[in-house]
Amino acid sequence: ILNVEQSPQSLHVQEGDSTNFTCSFPSSNFYALHWYRWETAKSPEALFVMTLNGDEKKKGRISATLNTKEGYSYLYIKGSQPEDSATYLCAFLQGGSEKLVFGKGTKLTVNP
Amino acid sequence: EAGVVQSPRYKIIEKKQPVAFWCNPISGHNTLYWYLQNLGQGPELLIRYENEEAVDDSQLPKDRFSAERLKGVDSTLKIQPAELGDSAVYLCASSQGTSGRSDTQYFGPGTRLTVL
Repeated sequence: ILNVEQSPQSLHVQEGDSTNFTCSFPSSNFYALHWYRWETAKSPEALFVMTLNGDEKKKGRISATLNTKEGYSYLYIKGSQPEDSATYLCAFLQGGSEKLVFGKGTKLTVNP
Repeated sequence: EAGVVQSPRYKIIEKKQPVAFWCNPISGHNTLYWYLQNLGQGPELLIRYENEEAVDDSQLPKDRFSAERLKGVDSTLKIQPAELGDSAVYLCASSQGTSGRSDTQYFGPGTRLTVL
């Protein structure tokens, strides 16, 4: 059974703070790592698909890094805004598999 | 471009009743997925379609769950009869199917099912 861990489980920050959270996944037989943002009552929104060790991707104030050798990815949010409040999910795709395995998510609350 | 559409958004039923969820994927997307998300957990794949063919239904509890994707477009997921433990969010997603296994999956808003 593949284990995809996300930490912390939840996080409260003040508007303007920068924050980051972690996704850990098996370091063997890596194929791809997906990040999603899921706001309450909305559809999960794709943020990044990362496939190469050392990848860094950026979308506005959100960026992500990938280390496939040690099995982790970081998601960073610079200058958090209340509209960043959401659950951030990562999903791991192993080589030879067609199935994404999701973590439980990190719930971010940004207080104004 | 319209996103993935799901209906209903919410459904409350009594146990042992049947229920069905409908999904309309993004136009042109060949691959369609149904996921189950229990409270506090990440989404888990139930079934994946490539066009009209179910290519992975290994996680679908076939005694009570069924799915179909007629003509390779819309899809329906059915539970009959529903049990209390089926209360969850049912998510539909689609992808183009052109970039292989690293395709981005686009999700609908989900159907929140409550079984009383």
